[in-house]
Amino acid sequence: EVQLMESGGGLVQPGGSLRLSCAASGFTFSDYYMDWVRQAPGKGLEWVGRVRSKGQSYTTDYAASVRGRFTVSRDDSKNSLYLQMNSLKTEDTAVFYCVRVKSGGAFDMWGQGTMVTVSS
Amino acid sequence: DIVMTQSPDSLAVSLGERATINCKSSQSVLYSSNNRLYVAWYQQKPGQPPKLLIYWASTRESGVPDRFSGSGSGTDFTLTIDSLHAEDVAVYYCQQYYSPPYSFGPGTKVDIK
Repeated sequence: EVQLMESGGGLVQPGGSLRLSCAASGFTFSDYYMDWVRQAPGKGLEWVGRVRSKGQSYTTDYAASVRGRFTVSRDDSKNSLYLQMNSLKTEDTAVFYCVRVKSGGAFDMWGQGTMVTVSS
Repeated sequence: DIVMTQSPDSLAVSLGERATINCKSSQSVLYSSNNRLYVAWYQQKPGQPPKLLIYWASTRESGVPDRFSGSGSGTDFTLTIDSLHAEDVAVYYCQQYYSPPYSFGPGTKVDIK
């Protein structure tokens, strides 16, 4: 079964750090670009960042709101995607989704999400 | 950055009737080299992650019922749900994947009248 499963969410204080993981299964993970998308409680979807495949030198892109604080990375040997989040702010509180990018660019597979709460 | 807007914010449609959602991009999302529109539509039901319905503005994802269709050109796009079913109650988002940041519209909530 094709699946994405996020983990690592939780409660963290402002200024703190957290690392999210996403375990992929059922497809050739290394072939795909992978993204993170977040959704604040009761709000819409916000794209967070992307890591491309080895063929594109694992290049990354970020939303302006997280650039310099968040880092997207991957380990193709472990079929895993990561999101390192530093200097967290209360406005980073959201469900974070791991997303597969299909050829062409649309987001064709989403994990169930992991909740990150930034609060003192 | 490309800004995506949607209208209406919400709509209520009778079962079996048509629902139409509009989306506009702040600049063209047509890639001239392949003549493709880099717009997708997603459906999100309560407590679930979004699900891809339409990509390239009008191509239905595998397994999506044919009552869902997308159209558009340039900067104006439409998602149409023909003959609304009860299970179509959800929030619908358009998205551009033409250039980063890959922005979403604010969403349109569809309910049963």
